[in-house]
Amino acid sequence: AQTVTQSQPEMSVQEAETVTLSCTYDTSESDYYLFWYKQPPSRQMILVIRQEAYKQQNATENRFSVNFQKAAKSFSLKISDSQLGDAAMYFCAYSSQGGSEKLVFGKGTKLTVNP
Amino acid sequence: DTAVSQTPKYLVTQMGNDKSIKCEQNLGHDTMYWYKQDSKKFLKIMFSYNNKELIINETVPNRFSPKSPDKAHLNLHINSLELGDSAVYFCASSRNRGLAGVAELFFGEGSRLTVL
Repeated sequence: AQTVTQSQPEMSVQEAETVTLSCTYDTSESDYYLFWYKQPPSRQMILVIRQEAYKQQNATENRFSVNFQKAAKSFSLKISDSQLGDAAMYFCAYSSQGGSEKLVFGKGTKLTVNP
Repeated sequence: DTAVSQTPKYLVTQMGNDKSIKCEQNLGHDTMYWYKQDSKKFLKIMFSYNNKELIINETVPNRFSPKSPDKAHLNLHINSLELGDSAVYFCASSRNRGLAGVAELFFGEGSRLTVL
């Protein structure tokens, strides 16, 4: 069974600075998808960024980018120019090929942004 | 227009009661899910339905019974509620299985269930 590990229960960053959230996963599959979801205090789960394992290029979405290291089974999230609105729980998630399978989530990292 | 909507958002009830949470999606997706988020924020899948058929049942106690009257709705009924059932329950949907590419999950806002 696949597992997702987020080793940082909490992180903090100064506004306008850059922070990196770590995620590692364990799988025997060669094709899969990885996601980062954000959960602000409002509780809504919001997709931040996604990566297809077959793509070597790291995904980017504005200030959010990932460092996908397939051999190391690592999928870290970098947030540049952090904003107060980035404060939230961040969840790394894994999905088998086909996408419409269950998401396996890590335990989350609580990000605090200090003004 | 809310893409995935759940009702109620908050539910407080006594142990032993039976309660339901409703979910509706207007995205035209074929697959819907229920996830449970415990007090430590850990999210775990409970059920998944594709076109009204159960495709994932993650060893959830049979006090939990999902029902999908059509592919736009997936309700969760819980019998004989226990203290450990207190959690936030998220409904989600995604497009059909088998299509190429990434199938993003769209989540509802969650329903916080408190069992006293």
